[in-house]
This record gives sequence, C-alpha cells and structure tokens, in this order.
Amino acid sequence: AQSVTQLGSHVSVSEGALVLLRCNYSSSVPPYLFWYVQYPNQGLQLLLKYTSAATLVKGINGFEAEFKKSETSFHLTKPSAHMSDAAEYFCAVSEYNNNDMRFGAGTRLTVKP
Amino acid sequence: DTAVSQTPKYLVTQMGNDKSIKCEQNLGHDTMYWYKQDSKKFLKIMFSYNNKELIINETVPNRFSPKSPDKAHLNLHINSLELGDSAVYFCASSQYGTTDTQYFGPGTRLTVL
Repeated sequence: AQSVTQLGSHVSVSEGALVLLRCNYSSSVPPYLFWYVQYPNQGLQLLLKYTSAATLVKGINGFEAEFKKSETSFHLTKPSAHMSDAAEYFCAVSEYNNNDMRFGAGTRLTVKP
Repeated sequence: DTAVSQTPKYLVTQMGNDKSIKCEQNLGHDTMYWYKQDSKKFLKIMFSYNNKELIINETVPNRFSPKSPDKAHLNLHINSLELGDSAVYFCASSQYGTTDTQYFGPGTRLTVL
C-alpha cells in the first residue's frame, strides 16, 4: 500500500528565509502526490498536486514542489517565508487517482519575525 | 457558497452516548470520505463512498457507521462513544476517476467526557 513519510514534525524558519518541508513516498505504481495546508481550526486546503505531468509543480501562495522519482521524494519549498505561512502541512499520496489518499503525519511550520 | 459543510462544528458529549455528524457537498462530486484527525494531527481515512456505495472501509470499530442517503450527503453515526473517539472528524469529497483534489469540510471537533 502507498504511504508517505514527512521528515520533521516541526520546522521553524525566520521570515524571509527559505522554506523546505520534506516528503518521501512509497508506492508500487506511479503515484499521485499532494501537499495540503491546514491553518488553525480549519480544514485542509490543497497547495499543489503532482499527477505525472511536469515534475516541478507550482502551487498557491508561492509554494512549489519537485517530484524526484530516483529519490522517491516530493519536497515542498518556498523561497521566502511569510508570517501567514505558519500552519500544518500534509503530504499525501494516491496510487489510483485520488480515491484512496494516504496522508503523512504532518509538519508544523513556524515562522519567526 | 460552502463547498463541503459539516454540522455540528463542535460536539461535546458523555461516554456511552450515540451521536451523529452530518456532511453535505454542493460540488456535484460522486465520492465522499470521512477522516479522523487525532490530537497529534495525524489524519487517517475511515470510510469512502462512491455513488452511495462503500468502497473504502478501514479498520474502524463497528460503533462507527456511515450512511449515504444520496451522493451529496455522507453522515457518520457513532454508537457508545468512548474517550478515544475524541478527535476532529473531517468530511471530504471528490470526483472518482479524476486527478482532481479532495475538498475538505471545516471539521467537527468531538469531545467525549
């Protein structure tokens, strides 16, 4: 079965610094990969998704992620962190469209002024 | 317009009680889901319904029973509530067989005393 591992349950960066949230996946077939963001007391919102098209995927709020098959990774980056980026971030994988999606444990991003 | 809505937003109840959470989506999707998010933010799928038919049923106690009266609704009924059932429950919907994302509701925070 497919799964994802998010390295680092908590990442702290300074405002304006690079954001890097790590995600590695395991899948027996070419995966679909997703990054979601959850702001406090809210539901999950899609940031971006990889569905076997371009390996570099651009999402909302300046985030992007690169699919690297050789490394089984799908890390999320943003060149310059903003205070409003503070939230919980979830990586997810699906083997067959998006019907059975499995989430990582989440990474809490803190942005320091 | 709210795409995926859940009621109630908060639910506080005593152990042993029976309670229901309702979910409705107005996106025209044919697949709906229930997820449980525990206190450590871990998000786990519980059930998935496609066209009112159960297609994913993870290892969930029999006390949890989903009901889908139509494609736009997926309710979750919980019998004999236990302390460990305390969590945030998210409903989501998507269109089966596409690479479109799952859309999440705002969540229902269940507290069992």
